Amino acid sequence: GQQVMQIPQYQHVQEGEDFTTYCNSSTTLSNIQWYKQRPGGHPVFLIQLVKSGEVKKQKRLTFQFGEAKKNSSLHITATQTTDVGTYFCAGPPTGTASKLTFGTGTRLQVTL
Amino acid sequence: NAGVTQTPKFQVLKTGQSMTLQCAQDMNHEYMSWYRQDPGMGLRLIHYSVGAGITDQGEVPNGYNVSRSTTEDFPLRLLSAAPSQTSVYFCASSYSGGRGGSTQYFGPGTRLTVL
Repeated sequence: GQQVMQIPQYQHVQEGEDFTTYCNSSTTLSNIQWYKQRPGGHPVFLIQLVKSGEVKKQKRLTFQFGEAKKNSSLHITATQTTDVGTYFCAGPPTGTASKLTFGTGTRLQVTL
Repeated sequence: NAGVTQTPKFQVLKTGQSMTLQCAQDMNHEYMSWYRQDPGMGLRLIHYSVGAGITDQGEVPNGYNVSRSTTEDFPLRLLSAAPSQTSVYFCASSYSGGRGGSTQYFGPGTRLTVL
């Protein structure tokens, strides 16, 4: 079945440093979604990318969808303590309308 | 709108007991799903539904049953609880499955412990 891996599994940065998490799928995706989960909370939708090579920005966050639509990345510039949480990518395989597979997640810890 | 609601928030069961985790949404979403979250494993799809009367299995369906008699409700039944089912369970809904506009809205989760 489809597998979606994320690296790193965990990263600890000092406030102000940059952070990047990478998402790799074993199959081509029709779209890629990113979610953030604060400690003790539930996943919250951040963004969706649909087109090959697409790049989207949300303030300090930059999301990229790979040309082959099998990988994606999330880059945070100048992290803040409010960025703490686990970041998940998720995507349905091409041709499958319903099943959404989540990545393994990257937990980000930010300290002053 | 309440969004996606889940009850109970916490539950402790003994091995062999059965129970139903409730999930409801008031956004008229077609698509609903159940995930379990275990440390280091991310979110794994248990069952999903693309509309009332239609359900299908996800990645880890064994030991769980679902039904979808209405658009709003999507309960998850544990038939005979086992310690391996100790997890956090999230229900989610969206307008559609994997197509465009498929933002998943998650409920607050149910933390289940099976002794």
